[in-house]
Amino acid sequence: GAVVSQHPSRVICKSGTSVKIECRSLDFQATTMFWYRQFPKKSLMLMATSNEGSKATYEQGVEKDKFLINHASLTLSTLTVTSAHPEDSSFYICSAPRTGIEAFFGQGTRLTVV
Amino acid sequence: QKEVEQDPGPLSVPEGAIVSLNCTYSNSAFQYFMWYRQYSRKGPELLMYTYSSGNKEDGRFTAQVDKSSKYISLFIRDSQPSDSATYLCAMSGGADGLTFGKGTHLIIQP
Repeated sequence: GAVVSQHPSRVICKSGTSVKIECRSLDFQATTMFWYRQFPKKSLMLMATSNEGSKATYEQGVEKDKFLINHASLTLSTLTVTSAHPEDSSFYICSAPRTGIEAFFGQGTRLTVV
Repeated sequence: QKEVEQDPGPLSVPEGAIVSLNCTYSNSAFQYFMWYRQYSRKGPELLMYTYSSGNKEDGRFTAQVDKSSKYISLFIRDSQPSDSATYLCAMSGGADGLTFGKGTHLIIQP
């Protein structure tokens, strides 16, 4: 079946540094990818829609300058958390729709900012 | 009122029982309905999706959608301890991002 690969699975960084998370569709092309954030015991919250070859679309309340999204190819989208703060510690998950709305998710990235 | 309501549980049932998981929604624009299973510290895994009212069966899983009542269900027959996970319902109006329920934590007791 279709696979979406997300790296790294866990990362610990110091406050003020930047962290890049990669999301790859391994056996299909994805012109659109979605980035979600999940807090403990909470649902997934859509952060932004990544569009290949154009600017990402951010949901209300998500800081564009803090969460930089780049969708440089049909199989790769990256989320960079800039000037990380402990409040940014969370579980970040990407997804890519293969056909229509059949979305497959990456394994998720546990970010801890210390 | 939240767009998607889902009882977070936990829901604990004995092995072999039939499990019923449910979500209600308020946005009539939702046309596509999915169920995901999520193990701890893992990304969600797509179980089933449907875009019409009625039932869809896949092995031990049956997804049911009632658009008139804005109500969807996932039934698990012959439940196994390996089914223990968080089950998330998700909905979409088209090719946009999904709107998720909070997820129901399911525990199958051996």
